[in-house]
Amino acid sequence: DVQLTQSPTSLAASIGDTVTITCRAGQSISRYLNWYQQKPGQVPKLLIYEASTLESGVPSTFSGAGSGTDFTLTISSLQPDDVATYYCQQSYTTLWTFGQGTKVEIK
Amino acid sequence: VQLVQSGAEVKKPGASVQVSCKASGYTFTDYYIHWLRQAPGQGLEWMGWIDPHSGDTEYAHNFQGRITLTRDTTMTTARMDLRSLTSDDTAVYYCGQMGKVTSGVDSWGQGTLITVSS
Repeated sequence: DVQLTQSPTSLAASIGDTVTITCRAGQSISRYLNWYQQKPGQVPKLLIYEASTLESGVPSTFSGAGSGTDFTLTISSLQPDDVATYYCQQSYTTLWTFGQGTKVEIK
Repeated sequence: VQLVQSGAEVKKPGASVQVSCKASGYTFTDYYIHWLRQAPGQGLEWMGWIDPHSGDTEYAHNFQGRITLTRDTTMTTARMDLRSLTSDDTAVYYCGQMGKVTSGVDSWGQGTLITVSS
């Protein structure tokens, strides 16, 4: 199975800050990396697919980058509505795996 | 697209559970259905997928031998059976439609809480 390691596990930042979350794969997964946002008490939502393509309706304050083994999710200008746990997920293999999640809070 | 899951259940250790996922608003056989779960306070765990067209399945290694995914094309419903339940299986279980473009879960069911307790 492809292991995905996210860092940090949690972070607290101020409104307006730029936040970056990292997802590292245990082997090359090309660009088959998706990012999800899960707000407290809600169902997860797909934010970014194929490493950098924003899903329809996702604000442009979110961006993704990377390929191979190293990927990032960046939130520019953090807002209260961005408080959530973010997960990366690989679809390079038919056996999917998820990162352990990164909890984002407001300082 | 709408995925409506069956309701919450409480099960005894050693029992089995079936969660259903009724799909509507699209051609059921055109999109894979994935199953995932989330234990209380924990992250997302992928369980497996089913191709509603062929019935082909693939399961996560953690669930091999305990899980069976099926589908009923006439009822446009996918089902997940999990056997030999333990307290570690207490979780919210989700079905999700995999997008052909995104290769991620585009649409989610509302989740089904399964509690395993003696």
